[in-house]
Amino acid sequence: AQSVSQHNHHVILSEAASLELGCNYSYGGTVNLFWYVQYPGQHLQLLLKYFSGDPLVKGIKGFEAEFIKSKFSFNLRKPSVQWSDTAEYFCAVNRGYGNKLVFGAGTILRVKS
Amino acid sequence: DAGITQSPRHKVTETGTPVTLRCHQTENHRYMYWYRQDPGHGLRLIHYSYGVKDTDKGEVSDGYSVSRSKTEDFLLTLESATSSQTSVYFCAISVLAGESYEQYFGPGTRLTVT
Repeated sequence: AQSVSQHNHHVILSEAASLELGCNYSYGGTVNLFWYVQYPGQHLQLLLKYFSGDPLVKGIKGFEAEFIKSKFSFNLRKPSVQWSDTAEYFCAVNRGYGNKLVFGAGTILRVKS
Repeated sequence: DAGITQSPRHKVTETGTPVTLRCHQTENHRYMYWYRQDPGHGLRLIHYSYGVKDTDKGEVSDGYSVSRSKTEDFLLTLESATSSQTSVYFCAISVLAGESYEQYFGPGTRLTVT
């Protein structure tokens, strides 16, 4: 079945450590890719998106992601995490009519201070 | 917050009762969506709408119906609530940003079916 896979369900890092969260999708053709963040008790907020052009996209709060078409991947990175980055992160793919999103299962990041 | 409100924010109901959740937007966006969020599953699309009276099913639509009689309101109804429908429900809108669309989410409704 077509899907979006996030490799790690839980990640624990110390402050200042580097972060990379994996995301793979199985859809062929043109896709739009997104990373959303959900802080505890809050709704989802858009971190960044890839539509076309430069495969390295920069988002808010120092996050970036790289689209590698040959690997069907869109991994999220941050060079140095902060305690305030503790949240759940979702990768999503926009496919087809209606701009519908298909989400990965999410990765819970805990940053230790 | 993209002008999206959801009501109620919290609800506890009994198995077998009907429940309606409301999503309201203030900016006349065409596309609206209902998702449910469950641990280990991320968000899954229940139904979506691409205009007044135009709706379609998502991947987990069984047991749910929707209506959109006005651009600004998108209602989600559980005709007869079951415990498996205990979840957090998010409404979203799709906004054109540059050359592509982005979805923005409401604050969510936490529904508990006992």
